[in-house]
Amino acid sequence: DGGITQSPKYLFRKEGQNVTLSCEQNLNHDAMYWYRQDPGQGLRLIYYSQIVNDFQKGDIAEGYSVSREKKESFPLTVTSAQKNPTAFYLCASSIQTGGNQPQHFGDGTRLSIL
Amino acid sequence: AQKVTQAQTEISVVEKEDVTLDCVYETRDTTYYLFWYKQPPSGELVFLIRRNSFDEQNEISGRYSWNFQKSTSSFNFTITASQVVDSAVYFCALKDTNAGKSTFGDGTTLTVKP
Repeated sequence: DGGITQSPKYLFRKEGQNVTLSCEQNLNHDAMYWYRQDPGQGLRLIYYSQIVNDFQKGDIAEGYSVSREKKESFPLTVTSAQKNPTAFYLCASSIQTGGNQPQHFGDGTRLSIL
Repeated sequence: AQKVTQAQTEISVVEKEDVTLDCVYETRDTTYYLFWYKQPPSGELVFLIRRNSFDEQNEISGRYSWNFQKSTSSFNFTITASQVVDSAVYFCALKDTNAGKSTFGDGTTLTVKP
């Protein structure tokens, strides 16, 4: 079945450490997104990519980095510069960024500080 | 800037009751798209319904219906004859047509009791 796979499901980070969250999709979608969700809050956009080798900052990009070397993959790195990384991270994709296409979401990665 | 407000933080109903989730939005775009997503305890957001700004026709799809009123910037979502499996967090989202970014509300937690 087509879908989005996020791994790992749970991740722990030590102080000063960079960690990378994986997101893979086999939907042949051009657009991919990373969101952060904090308890009781909605989703906030970290980065998004409209096409391979291109990505833009979202509303809360500081302390995060991404790459889009392949259409299927959009990994997110949480750097040591992100001082409050504990959150639920969701990856999504859509056929394209424009238009009324809905987003398809992965199951998420829950990141905690050790 | 775009904004989505879901004033209801939590709603609790008894099975078979009808329930309406409210969504009010702000945007300067003349063309935009509105969505409702469901987030069950597993964490993955699931697309439910969408509406284009230029189409105010309200529709019913199974137990779901929606009321889009451009004059009041509202996009309310109704579940008829609620079931325990409807228990989840529901998010309203607004998508602009230019950058293709979506803005999410903070979500409404719906609990349906047997």
